[in-house]
Amino acid sequence: DGGITQSPKYLFRKEGQNVTLSCEQNLNHDAMYWYRQDPGQGLRLIYYSQIVNDFQKGDIAEGYSVSREKKESFPLTVTSAQKNPTAFYLCASSIMGWRRDNYGYTFGSGTRLTVV
Amino acid sequence: GEDVEQSLFLSVREGDSSVINCTYTDSSSTYLYWYKQEPGAGLQLLTYIFSNMDMKQDQRLTVLLNKKDKHLSLRIADTQTGDSAIYFCAEGVTDKLIFGTGTRLQVFP
Repeated sequence: DGGITQSPKYLFRKEGQNVTLSCEQNLNHDAMYWYRQDPGQGLRLIYYSQIVNDFQKGDIAEGYSVSREKKESFPLTVTSAQKNPTAFYLCASSIMGWRRDNYGYTFGSGTRLTVV
Repeated sequence: GEDVEQSLFLSVREGDSSVINCTYTDSSSTYLYWYKQEPGAGLQLLTYIFSNMDMKQDQRLTVLLNKKDKHLSLRIADTQTGDSAIYFCAEGVTDKLIFGTGTRLQVFP
């Protein structure tokens, strides 16, 4: 079955360390997105990519980095520069040209990152 | 700027109808969406409505769209305990979706 997989489900990081969250999709979707979710604040866009080897900053990109070397994969690195990284991170993907279709986004099941 | 607003909480009795409201700002949105998030999980697409429609019904779900007021609502008929979750509305803006803050629906017996 096609889907989008995030790993790990839970991640613990010591202060000052970089960590990388994995996101893989086999839906043949062109676009991929990373969101951060905090209680009462909804979803905030970190980065998105519409094509391989290209990505754009979202609303809260500071302290994060991404790469898009393959269509299927869009890993997110939370760097030590991110001051408050404890959150729930969601990856999503979509068909390009979503305005001409009704599929919206497909989401992964999320990674909960905790700084210890 | 782009903004999607929702009330944070809604509490209903099992068997009653729930109505979750959303206001958005971009009048050029083509599609508007409702997503459901259960605890510790990702978002699941519930339904959507095209911007030239006023209403869409899908089993227990009814979506109403008032383009003039930029107001979207989701009605859940015969609400069950399994409907307890966070509900997000989202509008399409250029090349991405903008999500609301989410409404936490609590269903009590």
